[in-house]
This record gives sequence, C-alpha cells and structure tokens, in this order.
Amino acid sequence: EPEVTQTPSHQVTQMGQEVILRCVPISNHLYFYWYRQILGQKVEFLVSFYNNEISEKSEIFDDQFSVERPDGSNFTLKIRSTKLEDSAMYFCASRPTDSGEQYFGPGTRLTVT
Amino acid sequence: ELKVEQNPLFLSMQEGKNYTIYCNYSTTSDRLYWYRQDPGKSLESLFVLLSNGAVKQEGRLMASLDTKARLSTLHITAAVHDLSATYFCAVEKATSGSRLTFGEGTQLTVNP
Repeated sequence: EPEVTQTPSHQVTQMGQEVILRCVPISNHLYFYWYRQILGQKVEFLVSFYNNEISEKSEIFDDQFSVERPDGSNFTLKIRSTKLEDSAMYFCASRPTDSGEQYFGPGTRLTVT
Repeated sequence: ELKVEQNPLFLSMQEGKNYTIYCNYSTTSDRLYWYRQDPGKSLESLFVLLSNGAVKQEGRLMASLDTKARLSTLHITAAVHDLSATYFCAVEKATSGSRLTFGEGTQLTVNP
C-alpha cells in the first residue's frame, strides 16, 4: 500500500541553524501539507501546497519557514534559523484531490538545542 | 476562526466498560475525521464523517456526526487495553487545499 515517507525520523540541530525536512508524498497525490505537534499538544496546521504554490498558511508559518517541491517526488519544509520553540514533531500529509482523505507520514522529530 | 474542542482530555477506564468522547466545533464544516495516535507515532485514520447523521463503526469504536449541533462522538464499547492511545478529532472546511483543524486530543488509558 502506498504511503507517505519522511526523512530523517529524528533531527537534532543547534539554535540558529537551518534545517530541511523531507517528505515523499504518495505518487498520484496533488495536495501537500505540513503540520507540527509540540510534545503533548495538539496537531497544528502549518501550510498547504498545490500546483507548485502555497494555497494556505497559518500564522505559525512565518518568514523563517518555506516549502518547496524541487522535483516530481519530494516536498520539503525548510526552517531558516531554528529557535528552541521549533522543537516538535513535523508531519507531512498528502491527498489525491481536494476532497480526498489526507494521508499522514510517520513524522520527523526536530529537537533544537 | 474555527475552534475544535474535545472532552474529556484524559480518560481512564476499565476493560469491558463503555464510554464516549465528544468533539465540538465552532463553525460549519464539511468533513470530520477521527485519528488515533500512539506515543511517538503518526496519526492513524479511523473515520471520515461527511454528512449529518453519518455513523461509522469499526470494531469497538463507533463515530457519529450531528452537523446541526456541531458535535461528533466517538463511542467505545467494551474497551480493551489495546485501545489505549490518544484520539484526535479534526475538522475540515472545503476550501481549496483546506486545512485540518485538530482538537486537543483525548488520552485514553484502558486498565485491565
């Protein structure tokens, strides 16, 4: 069964460093998302992406964040200068259409020290 | 702004008992989802509810949706230890590329 994959599973970085989190959505899906979950808290929407552009973003998704689909398979989230409060689990999700179910990846745990 | 509230946030129950988790949301929505999350793991989709009066069942879990009351319930029948997890409801409004707005989650512990 096709699934969303994410790498790395765990990333440790120092405050101020740039990180890139990678996702490979399911191959025929057209809509892509990033969510984050701070430990013990609820899942929060960051950004949605369709047709090579951002379709919606939350107030969390400030200028430090960017997304890209550099080729036909990868979907990346970049944080330019990480802060301690960026420590969270980051989930990528994809869906085939705007009415289909969202499928979540396993997540990347980001720890900023 | 769409708000999603779950209660209870913590639930400890005995095996064999029944219980209901509630999910209230603040504005009209188009779809409601229930997910299960085990510690340190991703979100496992349980149910997608699309219309008023929708009811779906899988094993010991049954989900329902009342769009007029803006309420969904997740009912657990004869709980077993394997159901211990955190359960999230999430609401979606059908705009292009629409986001999911999650509730705070209900941490369920089923005791032998």
